[in-house]
Amino acid sequence: DAGITQSPRYKITETGRQVTLMCHQTWSHSYMFWYRQDLGHGLRLIYYSAAADITDKGEVPDGYVVSRSKTENFPLTLESATRSQTSVYFCASSELPGLESSDTQYFGPGTRLTVL
Amino acid sequence: AQTVTQSQPEMSVQEAETVTLSCTYDTSESNYYLFWYKQPPSRQMILVIRQEAYKQQNATENRFSVNFQKAAKSFSLKISDSQLGDTAMYFCAFMIEVGDKIIFGKGTRLHILP
Repeated sequence: DAGITQSPRYKITETGRQVTLMCHQTWSHSYMFWYRQDLGHGLRLIYYSAAADITDKGEVPDGYVVSRSKTENFPLTLESATRSQTSVYFCASSELPGLESSDTQYFGPGTRLTVL
Repeated sequence: AQTVTQSQPEMSVQEAETVTLSCTYDTSESNYYLFWYKQPPSRQMILVIRQEAYKQQNATENRFSVNFQKAAKSFSLKISDSQLGDTAMYFCAFMIEVGDKIIFGKGTRLHILP
């Protein structure tokens, strides 16, 4: 299916475990983003990527690792999950500047992660 | 640092009425992008409307329109003829340039009452 997908949609894990959230987009968008959504905070940027093999930290990167070996995939890994990482995680993508609709970020459906 | 403020945590209106959601932002940039996103109970983030700061004309998408006041740094969303399906969390958001992060407000929860 075309678009941006995330997996899993729901995940329950325990403190200290490693968890990887997957994000896949079929548009070949250059930019990809990971946000987390918490009550009272709106959405906050964790990491972003301008292209394959180029990543950078956002507002709240601590405890997270990303990679981008292929343009279409942007996995987010929690190396040792903590309760404070319980959240809803959104992946988003956008096109290169100058291209149609490049000013718009398209969001995946989100992953609800619970860390016990 | 750029910030986005939504002063109305929650609102309720009757179906078919018009409702306005407020948003103010702070930036020293002269050009930027503003958005309203809708998040229904399904949790999906849906772009409602977008505005480029250098454009004077207010953006409109069907029943949704904005009142963009650049000098006042205000970007309110007006929903006309509100429908039950408009019930959702609405986020005002700001972006300096394409490829940059989006900065979100904390959201306004809108209830459309039958």
